Amino acid sequence: SQKIEQNSEALNIQEGKTATLTCNYTNYSPAYLQWYRQDPGRGPVFLLLIRENEKEKRKERLKVTFDTTLKQSLFHITASQPADSATYLCALDRLNNAGNMLTFGGGTRLMVKP
Amino acid sequence: NAGVMQNPRHLVRRRGQEARLRCSPMKGHSHVYWYRQLPEEGLKFMVYLQKENIIDESGMPKERFSAEFPKEGPSILRIQQVVRGDSAAYFCASSPGQGRDTQYFGPGTRLTVL
Repeated sequence: SQKIEQNSEALNIQEGKTATLTCNYTNYSPAYLQWYRQDPGRGPVFLLLIRENEKEKRKERLKVTFDTTLKQSLFHITASQPADSATYLCALDRLNNAGNMLTFGGGTRLMVKP
Repeated sequence: NAGVMQNPRHLVRRRGQEARLRCSPMKGHSHVYWYRQLPEEGLKFMVYLQKENIIDESGMPKERFSAEFPKEGPSILRIQQVVRGDSAAYFCASSPGQGRDTQYFGPGTRLTVL
């Protein structure tokens, strides 16, 4: 069956360091992958989308890689700040008719300490 | 430019009552998605709707749950005869529907069943 795995343990890092979060999937051939941020008590907020033919995507301090051979995406936050503390969700598409359904991983909680 | 609106933000129901959750998509968005998030778990897709049509309800429980997106007015997720296991955060997302899009999430409705 299709599976999307993110490290369920919280990731604790020091301010200024690079945070790296992992998203692995099995039995899946997504055309693209998205990363979202979710703060407690709030809805997810879209961060980045990367397509299957793209190896890497950047946006300010964020970088996402997508390796369809390894079936893995890495999400990096450089020069991390305490305000980056949140849960980060990866999501893969499942195309159906005219729209797209997203299947989410369980999320990884990031804690950036000052 | 208002984002996705959901109401109520918090809903308390006793077992056996009905819960109605409302979602107004972003202006110009014709596609609506409902997700459920149990405590400490990821988002689970429930249903995908366009105006007056259910496109995919593969994630909806077979009984007690229904959804609609009428021509006028918000999308409604309805849960009849609620049980304690229905307690969760329910998120609505919308997209313009022009092919594969990112989804914009509302703040969620937190349902508590006593």
